[in-house]
Amino acid sequence: GAGVSQSPRYKVAKRGQDVALRCDPISGHVSLFWYQQALGQGPEFLTYFQNEAQLDKSGLPSDRFFAERPEGSVSTLKIQRTQQEDSAVYLCASSLPGLIEAFFGQGTRLTVV
Amino acid sequence: EDKVVQSPLSLVVHEGDTVTLNCSYEVTNFRSLLWYKQEKKAPTFLFMLTSSGIEKKSGRLSSILDKKELFSILNITATQTGDSAIYLCAVEIGSARQLTFGSGTQLTVLP
Repeated sequence: GAGVSQSPRYKVAKRGQDVALRCDPISGHVSLFWYQQALGQGPEFLTYFQNEAQLDKSGLPSDRFFAERPEGSVSTLKIQRTQQEDSAVYLCASSLPGLIEAFFGQGTRLTVV
Repeated sequence: EDKVVQSPLSLVVHEGDTVTLNCSYEVTNFRSLLWYKQEKKAPTFLFMLTSSGIEKKSGRLSSILDKKELFSILNITATQTGDSAIYLCAVEIGSARQLTFGSGTQLTVLP
């Protein structure tokens, strides 16, 4: 596609519900990143994939957070048993191999009520 | 702990003004510094800086890095209302392939 596509754009979840956020990177971009952005803050790194391999998951805040990219293209970020503190915009970014300049998607705004 | 600090947190100017946004960092194993513009939700890439003293320029925007004093500035001349956005500074650390972002500067340009 022309850019990084994320869905849904908005998600409201009841506390305790599981959610799945989808990211469709730019075609040919082997590197894929997930970031979490709380209101008034800069994005914070969650996890990084190169193709289907998850090379860094050091930013995932708890074991309720899980990300996968089984075929090296589309990625899903899953949050189990959502909590209010999970409310944030979840940004996905992709880049070409060896380049740090990442292209970001529009994000998914998650609100946990 | 790696730290990226941006100032000011917010700035309100009038069209035609020139603004300077600051980004300072304290990180281990610095690799590069990037500037992004965030309107609504998606940050868009502006500049990547790796070497001290070399200005990068794109239209009315320019940026420079000082690796001795550990800071970067982003200049916008002849501001327009379309420049209103959050400007994010991020540092790439080592070979981690992740970016550490500052909190951003909210720029508002009034007509």
